[in-house]
Formats: sequence, structure tokens, C-alpha cells
Amino acid sequence: NAGVTQTPKFQVLKTGQSMTLQCAQDMNHEYMSWYRQDPGMGLRLIHYSVGAGITDQGEVPNGYNVSRSTTEDFPLRLLSAAPSQTSVYFCASSSSSGSGFYEQFFGPGTRLTVL
Amino acid sequence: DAKTTQPTSMDCAEGRAANLPCNHSTISGNEYVYWYRQIHSQGPQYIIHGLKNNETNEMASLIITEDRKSSTLILPHATLRDTAVYYCIVRAGGGNKLTFGTGTQLKVEL
Repeated sequence: NAGVTQTPKFQVLKTGQSMTLQCAQDMNHEYMSWYRQDPGMGLRLIHYSVGAGITDQGEVPNGYNVSRSTTEDFPLRLLSAAPSQTSVYFCASSSSSGSGFYEQFFGPGTRLTVL
Repeated sequence: DAKTTQPTSMDCAEGRAANLPCNHSTISGNEYVYWYRQIHSQGPQYIIHGLKNNETNEMASLIITEDRKSSTLILPHATLRDTAVYYCIVRAGGGNKLTFGTGTQLKVEL
């Protein structure tokens, strides 16, 4: 299994540009999520999905859109990039969205710079 | 979710046990303690979790005090590869929607 994969690894955007960060997992996990990590900070939840067709907002959703048309993929869209969105973005997945314990698996991250 | 407090940084000699403390004095009865670590800007990696009892796996041990207001993650024989930021997270129910603080930067040295 490749686990959780993210593309691209690095990206530079100009203010106002849009782009999509890709995330895929091959573990048939129901739950997927996006976090951002700013320098010297912990991770903050942007959006999450408990299954195909179902998404919800996390702690810092403004400026980002998500959709979940398949179990495997959970892309994150930046509608109009701003310098404040310069960050490292991590995608994660886990096997369940219920109340039991399930380990979260994280991707390697996408390092985004907005000029 | 209960707030957690961890030291900003710790050092440990290679081969020694690394004991990483975490305070969570406002923890509720249904909240678990989770530990993740992040090695040099990679994605975080799950280590261990517990509710009341002490737990051990192939990576580490988790000691939770009887009143559950604090816990300690123990890496029994730290190696240079254990240098990372360690996050203590308290969360009710399942392990999703985690709130990561700034964690403890553990540096393992020769």
C-alpha cells in the first residue's frame, strides 16, 4: 500500500491564483481530513469528510473548498490564494468515523508559498 | 477537548529512556490521551493512546496517573531517530479531528 499520498510536494502561487492540492489513500478509509501547519505551530484542521459525498468544516475553513466524490480522493481547493495561506498542508485518513479508536495516517505534506 | 500542557523542549542521551510529560488537568472521563510525533516536518505519526490504564506497544509506554490529570510517554531506549516533536492530545471518542498544540521538541544526542 502507498498509504496517503499528496501532490504536489511543493508549490509557489501568486496572490489571487487558484489551485487544487491532491490527496489520495489506498486503504479504503472512510475518514479523511486536511490540516495546515504554520511555522512553529501545531496542526490545525481545515476540512474533513466522514465518507464519500459528506464533508464538514474544521477549525480554519475560510478560503478553502473540499469535495469527496470517491472514497480514495479528497482534494483541497484554494479559491483565491493569499499570503496568509502560505503553510504546509497535510492530508490524513483513518478507517472509521465512529466513536471507537482509529489511528490517523498522515501524508508527507505539500509546502505552499503564496507570493 | 481538554487543554494539554507540555514542555517546549527536552534533551535525552541516546540509549537512555526519554520521559515526556503532559498535563491535562481538565480531562473528562470519556477523553482519551493520544500521542503522535512529527519527525522533521514529515506528517505526524501515531505512537500510542490510553484512557485509564497504562499502555505499552512496540514503540513506547504510556503512564497515566490515577486521577488522569497527567501522563508520561516513555521511549525506553531513545535513538537519534526518535528526535522529533511529540504531541500529547486529549480527545473524547474516536481519534479524528485532533487538536495539535505545539508539542515537545525532543532532541536525542550521542
